[in-house]
Amino acid sequence: AQSVTQLDSQVPVFEEAPVELRCNYSSSVSVYLFWYVQYPNQGLQLLLKYLSGSTLVKGINGFEAEFNKSQTSFHLRKPSVHISDTAEYFCAVSDGNGATNKLIFGTGTLLAVQP
Amino acid sequence: DAGVTQSPTHLIKTRGQQVTLRCSPISGHKSVSWYQQVLGQGPQFIFQYYEKEERGRGNFPDRFSARQFPNYSSELNVNALLLGDSALYLCASSLGLGSYNEQFFGPGTRLTVL
Repeated sequence: AQSVTQLDSQVPVFEEAPVELRCNYSSSVSVYLFWYVQYPNQGLQLLLKYLSGSTLVKGINGFEAEFNKSQTSFHLRKPSVHISDTAEYFCAVSDGNGATNKLIFGTGTLLAVQP
Repeated sequence: DAGVTQSPTHLIKTRGQQVTLRCSPISGHKSVSWYQQVLGQGPQFIFQYYEKEERGRGNFPDRFSARQFPNYSSELNVNALLLGDSALYLCASSLGLGSYNEQFFGPGTRLTVL
């Protein structure tokens, strides 16, 4: 069975500092990986996705993530955060079998950007 | 273009009651999925429908049911509500079933069971 582990429930960081949000997954088959962001009282918005090809994926709002198959990780990074990046971030996996694109989500990481 | 819409925005029910949540997908999207997000946790998959047929079901009791209409909108029904059903219910739509099809999420319906 697939699962996603987000190791940090909350990450405090000062504005303009770099940040890394960690995500590890487990799966016995090839996977597709996603990062979503959820602002307060809103739905989920896709930040970026890894389907195949280059292991370094660039997304919206200056975020990027690197797929590491040997370490089964898909960590999210941003070189310089803004106050507006304060939100809940979810890592998700899909098994890509074509029969369904259901997502398995981690428990989320709250990114708290301080001035 | 309009995104995924859900109604109602908020809902308060008492234990034992029944509730129906509604979702309208993005125009042209034929797949609708439902997720439950309990406070402090990640969304959990409940159902997926494609072309009006159920294509996936998560680990939820039979009190949860759903359907998809010919216009691809969808309803999620929950019977005999329990306190633990209090959550944000998210609907997502996509063009198709393959994982390369991005899922677009609506703003959710917040259900409170008293």
